[in-house]
Parts: sequence; C-alpha cells; structure tokens
Amino acid sequence: GEDVEQSLFLSVREGDSSVINCTYTDSSSTYLYWYKQEPGAGLQLLTYIFSNMDMKQDQRLTVLLNKKDKHLSLRIADTQTGDSAIYFCADEGYSTLTFGKGTMLLVSP
Amino acid sequence: DTEVTQTPKHLVMGMTNKKSLKCEQHMGHRAMYWYKQKAKKPPELMFVYSYEKLSINESVPSRFSPECPNSSLLNLHLHALQPEDSALYLCASSQEATTLSGANVLTFGAGSRLTVL
Repeated sequence: GEDVEQSLFLSVREGDSSVINCTYTDSSSTYLYWYKQEPGAGLQLLTYIFSNMDMKQDQRLTVLLNKKDKHLSLRIADTQTGDSAIYFCADEGYSTLTFGKGTMLLVSP
Repeated sequence: DTEVTQTPKHLVMGMTNKKSLKCEQHMGHRAMYWYKQKAKKPPELMFVYSYEKLSINESVPSRFSPECPNSSLLNLHLHALQPEDSALYLCASSQEATTLSGANVLTFGAGSRLTVL
C-alpha cells in the first residue's frame, strides 16, 4: 500500500528557516499537500503542488518536489513562534489522501 | 462561509450510550469525510460521501454509522463504543472526491473530541 514518511520532530529558533522533509511511495500521486495542525484544532491546508512541478513558492513557503526520488520538502522562511504546530504531508492518487505521521515543529524565541 | 462546523466539541459517553456527531458546511462541496485521529498520530480515513452517497468505508466497525441527510450535513452515529474509540473525530469537505478536475483540497472542521468511559 501507499506509505508516506516524515521526520517526527524539528526545533528551530525564531527567524531561522525550517525545512520539513517527506518521502512517499505512490508513483501515481497527482497532487501532494502540506497541512498544518495546531493543538486542539483541525488540519489547515498550507499549500499543494502538482506532480509535474518541481517547485512552488507561496509567500514564506517553498515546496520542492523531486519526483524521481519521491521526496517532498516544505521550507518556511523567517519562522515565527506562531508556526509551531504539527505539519503533515499527504499524497493523493485518484481519490483519498494518505497522510504522513506528521512533523512537530517547535520554534523557540 | 468557508468553514466546516462540528458539534459537539467535546463528548463523553459510556459504552452503552447512543450519541451522534454532527458536521455542517455551506460551501457547496459535494464530498464529505469522516476521519479519526488518535493522539500524536495522523488522521485515519473512516468514510467518504460523494453526492450524498457513501463511496468509501474503510472497514470501519458497525458501531460507527455515518449518515448524509443532505449535501450540507454529515452525521456520525455512535453506539456501543469501546474505550479505544476515544479520539478526535474530524469532518472535512471538498468540491469533489477526486482530483480529475484539480487538486482535491480538503477543508477540515475543528473536530469533536470523544471520550468513551
């Protein structure tokens, strides 16, 4: 079956860049997504990338996709304490999403 | 309106109780989803409704019974649950249940936190 892997924890200082990595196994994925979950809340879409793109930038967020290696990354520039949350990558073939286990990002002042 | 609203936010029930979780959206989305999320784990898909019809049931035990009365509402009926069913139950919606016409962006509700005693 499909599998999505992420590192579990990342700690950075405020103002630094954060890079969260994800690998996936489903070669038929058409879109790949990044969702953010704050404590006690639902998931919020941050950004997504179509599988034939290799980069997408949206304000402080940069998504890089290496389709050959099935590797996805999310870079957050100028990380703020409000960015502290769990970040899930997810891939999607024809229908349902498969989520990674989530990366907890802790931003210290 | 760009939200998915879930009620109640918190629910405590005994193993013999019958209760329901409710979800509502007014974005005109035709796909609605129930996910279960245990602490420090990713959401796990339970059910997908597409155009008010159940399209995916991820082998969920029958003590969970979904219902989609109309295109804006999604219920999850709970009966004879076990303590291990305690979790955050997330509802989501999207334009369609496929990526045939573009990215399938899910909008999630804040969840209903269920505790089964």
